[in-house]
Amino acid sequence: DVKVTQSSRYLVKRTGEKVFLECVQDMDHENMFWYRQDPGLGLRLIYFSYDVKMKEKGDIPEGYSVSREKKERFSLILESASTNQTSMYLCASSSGTSPGGGYNEQFFGPGTRLTVL
Amino acid sequence: QKEVEQDPGPLSVPEGAIVSLNCTYSNSAFQYFMWYRQYSRKGPELLMYTYSSGNKEDGRFTAQVDKSSKYISLFIRDSQPSDSATYLCAMSAHQAGTALIFGKGTTLSVSS
Repeated sequence: DVKVTQSSRYLVKRTGEKVFLECVQDMDHENMFWYRQDPGLGLRLIYFSYDVKMKEKGDIPEGYSVSREKKERFSLILESASTNQTSMYLCASSSGTSPGGGYNEQFFGPGTRLTVL
Repeated sequence: QKEVEQDPGPLSVPEGAIVSLNCTYSNSAFQYFMWYRQYSRKGPELLMYTYSSGNKEDGRFTAQVDKSSKYISLFIRDSQPSDSATYLCAMSAHQAGTALIFGKGTTLSVSS
C-alpha cells in the first residue's frame, strides 16, 4: 500500500521560530511536492523536487526553504515562522516515469496543521 | 483570471441525487485533468483522471472534459452520505514530474 507520511498532524509554534516539516514516502518516487491549503485559496505549490538535492520554486516559495538529502525524504523549512504561515501543509509524491503512458498520480500525505502564534 | 476556477459551494443534496461539479480553466496547454476527493482532516486522494477530451466512467462517477470550452465536470450518480467531502479539480500540461494546478475545491454534503 502506497504511503506518504508527515511527521506531525498538528503543530503549534511561536512567531520567529524555525520550523521543520518532514515528509517521507515509501514508493521510491522521484518527485516530491509541498503544498499549503487555505480556505478560499485551495492548494498552492510551495516547492517541489525532481530528484535528490534538486529543488524548484513553486507559486509561493517566499518564507520557505526545502531540503532533499535522500530520495524518500523531503523537508519543508520555515526559517522564521510568521502568523501568515498558519495553514495546512500537504506533502505529495509521484513517480518520474510512466511506462504505460498514463498519468502519474500524486499521492498525498495526511497533512500537518500548523498554527503560528 | 485564475488558471483554474471552481465554485467552492458548499453544495448540499439529498441521498440519491445526481451531483454535478465543474471547473473552468484558461490554459490551453492542460492535457491531464484530475478529480481529487478530500475527506475532512485527510489528504486528497485521486478519484478520476482523464487525458485530453472525452468522458470516463467509474461506477457512480463520470468525468467529462471539453477542451474546446475549457470546461471539466464530475458527475456523481445516486449520491451517498459517504460522498460528503471536498472535491478538487486539478490539471497539468505534463504527464509526470510537474506540479498540479488545483481549483479551490467544492464542499459537498449528502444528507440521508
